[in-house]
Amino acid sequence: KAGVTQTPRYLIKTRGQQVTLSCSPISGHRSVSWYQQTPGQGLQFLFEYFSETQRNKGNFPGRFSGRQFSNSRSEMNVSTLELGDSALYLCASSFAGSNEKLFFGSGTQLSVL
Amino acid sequence: QQQVKQSPQSLIVQKGGISIINCAYENTAFDYFPWYQQFPGKGPALLIAIRPDVSEKKEGRFTISFNKSAKQFSLHIMDSQPGDSATYFCAASMDSNYQLIWGAGTKLIIKP
Repeated sequence: KAGVTQTPRYLIKTRGQQVTLSCSPISGHRSVSWYQQTPGQGLQFLFEYFSETQRNKGNFPGRFSGRQFSNSRSEMNVSTLELGDSALYLCASSFAGSNEKLFFGSGTQLSVL
Repeated sequence: QQQVKQSPQSLIVQKGGISIINCAYENTAFDYFPWYQQFPGKGPALLIAIRPDVSEKKEGRFTISFNKSAKQFSLHIMDSQPGDSATYFCAASMDSNYQLIWGAGTKLIIKP
């Protein structure tokens, strides 16, 4: 069974640009959640999608948005990038939700210059 | 009240020793407490998890101890090995909410 796939692996952008990150969950998993990881800050929850609906959202500005498609693949978009958005963005999938085993991808390392 | 406080931030243990990482929470509605292990360049992977109806859960060399009254839980790694060197995260969530609240992580180094 293929794991969670995140693309691209690395991304370099400049301030003010926008970026779209992609996540393909494990086959059969309907829940996809996104996290921002920065050194010393742990993982900060961005949002979670289940069957194409956003079920929960963390405390991030509206520049951060996401969506989920009918095949459970998910995208995360960040508009008007700021230097502070530089981080590792992790996607996790599970069958039903965050209160069970999550399977993480290797992440997308975003650098904003 | 949504925070999970993890300590220590970093830990160095000799090979064969016991590694202990602690977490504390405030929200008594939390009912799921997992520990994740993360190696450099990889996403976190679930190591072991516990629910508050038990005080201890053991899987191989890894044990979670849970103290409901103190609102604390800890990870014990017995006979620590160099391959255990990684960053460990505790987390908490509740069934009614699909959001995991994470501790800040502990970087564990096992010295040969």
